[in-house]
Amino acid sequence: GEQVEQRPPHLSVREGDSAVITCTYTDPNSYYFFWYKQEPGASLQLLMKVFSSTEINEGQGFTVLLNKKDKRLSLNLTAAHPGDSAAYFCAVSPLIASSSFSKLVFGQGTSLSVVP
Amino acid sequence: NAGVIQTPRHKVTGKGQEATLWCEPISGHSAVFWYRQTIVQGLEFLTYFRNQAPIDDSGMPKERFSAQMPNQSHSTLKIQSTQPQDSAVYLCASSLGDWGGAEQFFGPGTRLTVL
Repeated sequence: GEQVEQRPPHLSVREGDSAVITCTYTDPNSYYFFWYKQEPGASLQLLMKVFSSTEINEGQGFTVLLNKKDKRLSLNLTAAHPGDSAAYFCAVSPLIASSSFSKLVFGQGTSLSVVP
Repeated sequence: NAGVIQTPRHKVTGKGQEATLWCEPISGHSAVFWYRQTIVQGLEFLTYFRNQAPIDDSGMPKERFSAQMPNQSHSTLKIQSTQPQDSAVYLCASSLGDWGGAEQFFGPGTRLTVL
């Protein structure tokens, strides 16, 4: 089945610097990709959803890149601020033609600390 | 919209006791998922319901764990004879549909501690 590896497990950056988190996956049939943010004691919050047909998605203060050839997904937080300090998780959902459901397979998570 | 509600937020049980965790999905959502989160294993899929029917329980430990969804407004995860290795945060999520791109909305989780 699908396996997702997320790096780095911990990341500390200074305020204003960029932070890059990368996930690699194994199943070439994976089609939907998600980035979630989890603040201490809080729920997982969806940051962005991307499809295999898109390569670059931009949100508020971050960019998601998808490299299908290398089976790599990355989250780039530009000009990080202390409010970005949280755990970040990538999740992958393979496309299964015969089933309408595909469970989320998560990366191990990255604990990001943004230092003022 | 109150989001996905999970109760209790924290539960402490003694080894061998039973634990029941509750989840109330977002109204109108047809799919309900259970995940388990630990430091060592990360986030793991446990089981999933569509329109209250169990669809996939491939992540559920074969013994002691069971899940039900008796009506569209709540689901339960029951762990019998709890063991210390069951200590984790149990997350419930719901979504409008169960197609692969449907966003799953997560509850705050129930932190289970087995002493």
